[in-house]
Amino acid sequence: QSALTQPASVSGSPGQSITISCTGASSDVGSYKFVSWYQQHPGKAPKVMIYEVSERPSGVSNRFSGSKSGNTASLTISGLQAEDEADYYCCSYAGSGTFSVFGGGTKVTVL
Amino acid sequence: QLQLQESGPGLVKPSETLSLTCTVSGASISSSTYYWGWIRQPPGKGLEWIGSIFYSGSTHYNPSLKNRVSISLDTSRNYFSLILSSVTAADTAVYYCARGGFYYYALDVWGQGTTVTVSS
Repeated sequence: QSALTQPASVSGSPGQSITISCTGASSDVGSYKFVSWYQQHPGKAPKVMIYEVSERPSGVSNRFSGSKSGNTASLTISGLQAEDEADYYCCSYAGSGTFSVFGGGTKVTVL
Repeated sequence: QLQLQESGPGLVKPSETLSLTCTVSGASISSSTYYWGWIRQPPGKGLEWIGSIFYSGSTHYNPSLKNRVSISLDTSRNYFSLILSSVTAADTAVYYCARGGFYYYALDVWGQGTTVTVSS
């Protein structure tokens, strides 16, 4: 089971938009709509920000959006704010065998 | 309001067995619309999915841990458990329990996490 590939870090200035990529394989990201994204602040538990590629849970800002093309999913944060500085992880369903796989995580820095 | 709380020893000796419990309050773990999972995070590293269990008792495990891990449900006391055998220092991590949605396969409620250190 290989972890999904994410950039180690992404940065942007307040108000800008950034995009985090998450590259998997045809056996996970490429085959299912069940890609989710999690935000984790230091010392805290992760929080789901996006599920089913592009759906936002109630209470999550509409500045967060998700998409997918082929084996790569993406998370876009628009109107970047200081509070968005955190680690972000993608996760994909990978079938009834492997079931679930996480990305390595991306540290977002607000300049 | 749904809450999950991990509990268990914070220190385990090498080669011994790690055992954690996740107590669920505010919802029944017998619900057919959810599954329950364990995720861990070694110090300074990323999240690693350990395994999941459905209300039926069926389980799915990370292939890299499959020979050492077991997850079970106790529906009478509304909690689920993790057992990881033959631990080494590489198993030192914060261990999280979480609820997953059966129809959307995302972990929507997490426990606060518990730190487990493997050391003699």
